[in-house]
Amino acid sequence: DAGVIQSPRHEVTEMGQEVTLRCKPISGHNSLFWYRQTMMRGLELLIYFNNNVPIDDSGMPEDRFSAKMPNASFSTLKIQPSEPRDSAVYFCASSEPPGAGKGPYNEQFFGPGTRLTVL
Amino acid sequence: RKEVEQDPGPFNVPEGATVAFNCTYSNSASQSFFWYRQDCRKEPKLLMSVYSSGNEDGRFTAQLNRASQYISLLIRDSKLSDSATYLCASSGGYQKVTFGIGTKLQVIP
Repeated sequence: DAGVIQSPRHEVTEMGQEVTLRCKPISGHNSLFWYRQTMMRGLELLIYFNNNVPIDDSGMPEDRFSAKMPNASFSTLKIQPSEPRDSAVYFCASSEPPGAGKGPYNEQFFGPGTRLTVL
Repeated sequence: RKEVEQDPGPFNVPEGATVAFNCTYSNSASQSFFWYRQDCRKEPKLLMSVYSSGNEDGRFTAQLNRASQYISLLIRDSKLSDSATYLCASSGGYQKVTFGIGTKLQVIP
């Protein structure tokens, strides 16, 4: 079975450019999460969706960041305009509905990440 | 104070040693806890879930202390292949998981 798919795997862009990251969750998973990971701050939750609806976007750093989930199999994270401090690895993760696994909160499966460098 | 705190290490241990990591959490309402493993330049992958007092899987044991609000991960007979970063995580809300910064382990021959 395919895991979480992210594209592109690497992105190098110049400051001020628009960046769009894409994610396809595992089929049947109803929750989708966007994370950012840096050496200094670790893995930070940016936003998550449940059944395509944004539930918590409190981690989105500022208005330059936006995320959409138009259907159950696709999500985008957009940064416009990008800045050098946005350089990080961006992970998308998905999970099954609560109760589908062994506990009340289910394992999150991560995609391979997008390594973003903003020059 | 961060919601989940870990010592970033690195922990350098000889092969065959036993090593333990601790992780503290500040949200007393947290109900579920996890240890994820992350290899260099790879994505995190679930190592163990901890829903009650603890969990054991082979050489790995995770324990939860709700009174002191910490979880631990014990690795016995460490292997070279155990070298990785171990992320502690807690969940207190609707599927939202908060991760620690990770503890780096290097097992030395």
